[in-house]
Amino acid sequence: AQTVTQSQPEMSVQEAETVTLSCTYDTSESNYYLFWYKQPPSRQMILVIRQEAYKQQNATENRFSVNFQKAAKSFSLKISDSQLGDTAMYFCAFIDNYGQNFVFGPGTRLSVLP
Amino acid sequence: EPEVTQTPSHQVTQMGQEVILRCVPISNHLYFYWYRQILGQKVEFLVSFYNNEISEKSEIFDDQFSVERPDGSNFTLKIRSTKLEDSAMYFCASSEADGYVKNIQYFGAGTRLSVL
Repeated sequence: AQTVTQSQPEMSVQEAETVTLSCTYDTSESNYYLFWYKQPPSRQMILVIRQEAYKQQNATENRFSVNFQKAAKSFSLKISDSQLGDTAMYFCAFIDNYGQNFVFGPGTRLSVLP
Repeated sequence: EPEVTQTPSHQVTQMGQEVILRCVPISNHLYFYWYRQILGQKVEFLVSFYNNEISEKSEIFDDQFSVERPDGSNFTLKIRSTKLEDSAMYFCASSEADGYVKNIQYFGAGTRLSVL
């Protein structure tokens, strides 16, 4: 069974600085997808960024980028120029190539400080 | 931008009562999902639904739960006899049918269920 681990329950960062959230996962699959979802205090789940395992190039979405290390099964999220609106729970998630077994990590609570 | 909508945003019910949580997935999506998040815990998969039948379900999704697509737009989760431990945020999600985009799920804002 796939597992997703986020070793940092809470993090904080000063506004405008850069922060990296860690995620590791375990799977025997070779093709799969990884996601970072953001859950602000409103508790809506918002897709931040995704990565296809067969792509070597790291995904980037504006201020958000990932460092995908397939061999190490690591998928960290870097937020550049942090903004107050980035304050949220961040969940790393895995899904296999068949769209099954969507597994979430336990989350990292990020606080952006003014 | 199209979005998944869920109603109500907050449902309060008495233990033992039946509740129906409603979702309107994105219109061209064909895969539908329900997830649960107990306060302070991670999001847990409940069930996936495709072509008018359940395609996968977790251990949490026992006989107390059922899903239905009663018409062309709604997707519902019914809890037959609610228990205190059913109190949670329930998220609906949907995804397209074809290719790798099938794996990109879009989530609704959630329904907070409080069982008293």
